[in-house]
Amino acid sequence: DADVTQTPRNRITKTGKRIMLECSQTKGHDRMYWYRQDPGLGLRLIYYSFDVKDINKGEISDGYSVSRQAQAKFSLSLESAIPNQTALYFCATKSTGPEQFFGPGTRLTVL
Amino acid sequence: GNSVTQMEGPVTLSEEAFLTINCTYTATGYPSLFWYVQYPGEGLQLLLKATKADDKGSNKGFEATYRKETTSFHLEKGSVQVSDSAVYFCALSSTFGNEKLTFGTGTRLTIIP
Repeated sequence: DADVTQTPRNRITKTGKRIMLECSQTKGHDRMYWYRQDPGLGLRLIYYSFDVKDINKGEISDGYSVSRQAQAKFSLSLESAIPNQTALYFCATKSTGPEQFFGPGTRLTVL
Repeated sequence: GNSVTQMEGPVTLSEEAFLTINCTYTATGYPSLFWYVQYPGEGLQLLLKATKADDKGSNKGFEATYRKETTSFHLEKGSVQVSDSAVYFCALSSTFGNEKLTFGTGTRLTIIP
């Protein structure tokens, strides 16, 4: 089984809809991150959490919110989706070491 | 702030050719450096890392050396295979604050038989 899982893997939705992307991990890591990937832009940080009670905005948090339901779960919500939020979304985890471990990604299309 | 500049693609090579993908960075302090690889339809996998100056990361025949004097972390492989076709991302992680990864824009590599 994968250490970092994301659901759904693909989602098509319409402008104005509320969407939740979920991330679960079995690595026991405290730190969790949400990134989005756009062609030609690499990955950019949306939100991050160092533990259940610690939530922080990243560089592009506008239009997004998150919930850290447990150490192993970190959800990303789009309250009212818009077309420029069409992207590939990645969850990542980190322990005390320098590297991060990524989930398989969620491809979101907003029509 | 931190930034990563990597060689733009796409890059197309023949099998068994030598590969170099350039990566330079700007950062405060002493960041850790990474190469991540994204195979078609998959997430990002850590390919190799280096955590201090002059460290060499290596994996699957790929190598990169942390050069502080030139602020570079170029990816190399002596003989590429078709299975190396993927998108490669150079990234750095600050050692304080949010510890987020700062990524380059990615280089798409295609190896032809």
